[in-house]
Amino acid sequence: NAGVTQTPKFRVLKTGQSMTLLCAQDMNHEYMYWYRQDPGMGLRLIHYSVGEGTTAKGEVPDGYNVSRLKKQNFLLGLESAAPSQTSVYFCASRKGLAAERDTQYFGPGTRLTVL
Amino acid sequence: AQTVTQSQPEMSVQEAETVTLSCTYDTSESDYYLFWYKQPPSRQMILVIRQEAYKQQNATENRFSVNFQKAAKSFSLKISDSQLGDAAMYFCAYNRRRALTTSGTYKYIFGTGTRLKVLA
Repeated sequence: NAGVTQTPKFRVLKTGQSMTLLCAQDMNHEYMYWYRQDPGMGLRLIHYSVGEGTTAKGEVPDGYNVSRLKKQNFLLGLESAAPSQTSVYFCASRKGLAAERDTQYFGPGTRLTVL
Repeated sequence: AQTVTQSQPEMSVQEAETVTLSCTYDTSESDYYLFWYKQPPSRQMILVIRQEAYKQQNATENRFSVNFQKAAKSFSLKISDSQLGDAAMYFCAYNRRRALTTSGTYKYIFGTGTRLKVLA
């Protein structure tokens, strides 16, 4: 049972380049999330998904797009990377909304640097 | 809007001693969850402990326990018998528990974190 995995672990981009971060979970969770973590700011929600084929904006969605074509995968795209998007990106998943299902499980993170 | 505040950017504790990390939150809701997550240097976010607001009893997990003061909106984490492996960033998080169709139920609010150093 791999839990939540993220690909790649590290990436360096030049300004204006595009890339896609992949998040995969094998726990059959309904809900998936993308966060960015910056020093002194904790985790901020970029986008989230409450099920296959659905996505919604979080706190800081500008400059990012997402897709959830399959239940187990949640992709985060940067169409034209900017230095302000240098960050550590975390994916998380959660089984459901019932009391025992509210815990989020996190992936190991992706460190992205935009030059 | 809900907010989570961790006012201690950094804390230190001697090995085998006890340390308490503070967290306060602001919400108008009465039913919610609170969490403490640990992030070691590996960056992996690990759930330490969870508290349901409707439960008066404080949650405990081995050496980790919380002091949940609902009226004061305070949720502190106590680590007993601190070990070197406890050194990490600790994040407090809030999640509202509401009807299934309320979009805010899906979102978590995180504090800015407290870096815990454990001294040998």
